[in-house]
Amino acid sequence: QVQLVESGGGLVKPGGSLRLSCEASGFTFSDYYMSWIRQAPGKGLEWVSYISDDAAYTDYADSVKGRFTISRDDAKNSLYLQLNNLRAEDTAVYYCARRDRTFDYFDYWGRGTLVAVSS
Amino acid sequence: QSVLTQPPSVSGAPGQRVIISCIGSSSNIGAGYEVHWYQQLPGSAPKLLIYINSNRPSGVPDRFSGSRSGTSASLAISGLQAEDEADYYCQSYDNSLSGSYVFGTGTKVTVL
Repeated sequence: QVQLVESGGGLVKPGGSLRLSCEASGFTFSDYYMSWIRQAPGKGLEWVSYISDDAAYTDYADSVKGRFTISRDDAKNSLYLQLNNLRAEDTAVYYCARRDRTFDYFDYWGRGTLVAVSS
Repeated sequence: QSVLTQPPSVSGAPGQRVIISCIGSSSNIGAGYEVHWYQQLPGSAPKLLIYINSNRPSGVPDRFSGSRSGTSASLAISGLQAEDEADYYCQSYDNSLSGSYVFGTGTKVTVL
């Protein structure tokens, strides 16, 4: 069965960096676009970034553009998100999600990893 | 920043029908992009509930139904049950410059 397991979250000071990972299993990882989606405490969902199946295309929400970088390693069935210059407003649970092969919806989600930015 | 607007909360007694609206604009739903819905139970990750406006993934009860018209969409829950108490989010694609995917503001469904 499809599984997505995030890791790498933690407490970091403003201006700091963190690298999130998402390990995928149960499907052919290299066939799928992948995304990161976050949820601040008590708030709604916010799409953060996506990467195409061949890593040729990426996109970011305006709120993270220039600070976050998405990447993937198909040999390791893994998705990554490099978070730099972190701000308090980046505090959230970060979910890894698989996009359907044809349409723009997220059919599987991980359980998330918490990033807390505080001095 | 959500560009799809949902009511913050809706409630109903067991067995009743509730409807959640999702209002977009000409750069997302109004541009013809499909709408999808997710259910987030307390303390859990979101789960796909409805895809491409009105389709249910395997395992989702037919009490849940979706529709889209113009610049808006709606999710209906018929025969409301206690286990339906959750947060619900709509999602679409947006062709403006601010990013690709957009979520609704979220609706908390309370079963009275």
